[in-house]
Amino acid sequence: DAGVIQSPRHEVTEMGQEVTLRCKPISGHDYLFWYRQTMMRGLELLIYFNNNVPIDDSGMPEDRFSAKMPNASFSTLKIQPSEPRDSAVYFCASTLRATSGRGTDTQYFGPGTRLTVL
Amino acid sequence: AQSVAQPEDQVNVAEGNPLTVKCTYSVSGNPYLFWYVQYPNRGLQFLLKYITGDNLVKGSYGFEAEFNKSQTSFHLKKPSALVSDSALYFCAVRDGVGGYNKLIFGAGTRLAVHP
Repeated sequence: DAGVIQSPRHEVTEMGQEVTLRCKPISGHDYLFWYRQTMMRGLELLIYFNNNVPIDDSGMPEDRFSAKMPNASFSTLKIQPSEPRDSAVYFCASTLRATSGRGTDTQYFGPGTRLTVL
Repeated sequence: AQSVAQPEDQVNVAEGNPLTVKCTYSVSGNPYLFWYVQYPNRGLQFLLKYITGDNLVKGSYGFEAEFNKSQTSFHLKKPSALVSDSALYFCAVRDGVGGYNKLIFGAGTRLAVHP
């Protein structure tokens, strides 16, 4: 398997612009997570989905952030409008629950998208 | 509430010496415990986990961790450190009760292995 795929790997944009980050989870996984990593705040969970349904979005910082998972193989995290304080590395991760019989409950992370908002 | 503490921001060790990266946790039910490693400009890589069973868990790259229920700890260890082990290490926990719950990550410990 190719692992979790994220695009773009780097994004530089100007304040006020819309930013869309993309994630393709590992095939067959039923949970998908979006995290943000900064030096100041460390690794933060933003939102996670189970079978394409958002389960917990309590980590989404503001209404400027939104996430969707239209199907099992694709998710987006959108920031509109973007602000300099949104600059961070955004990670997507996926897992398959162990109770499914084939799962391990282990989260596998993508390489991340480094976002810089000027 | 679930929480994880990694009391050391950085651990320095000489190559060939044993290393320990500390982690303590707090959960309401039985813990599921994980260690991840992050190399520069990379995503987090899974190292090992404890769900149940033997308290000593062996993982990738020669790492192991010991679950200690009475001390609520899950320290990461390696008998002989390599320079290539230098990275950022994260401990994570989730409550094993009920459905799948989110992982709570520690702040991370930077391991520096010197030649």
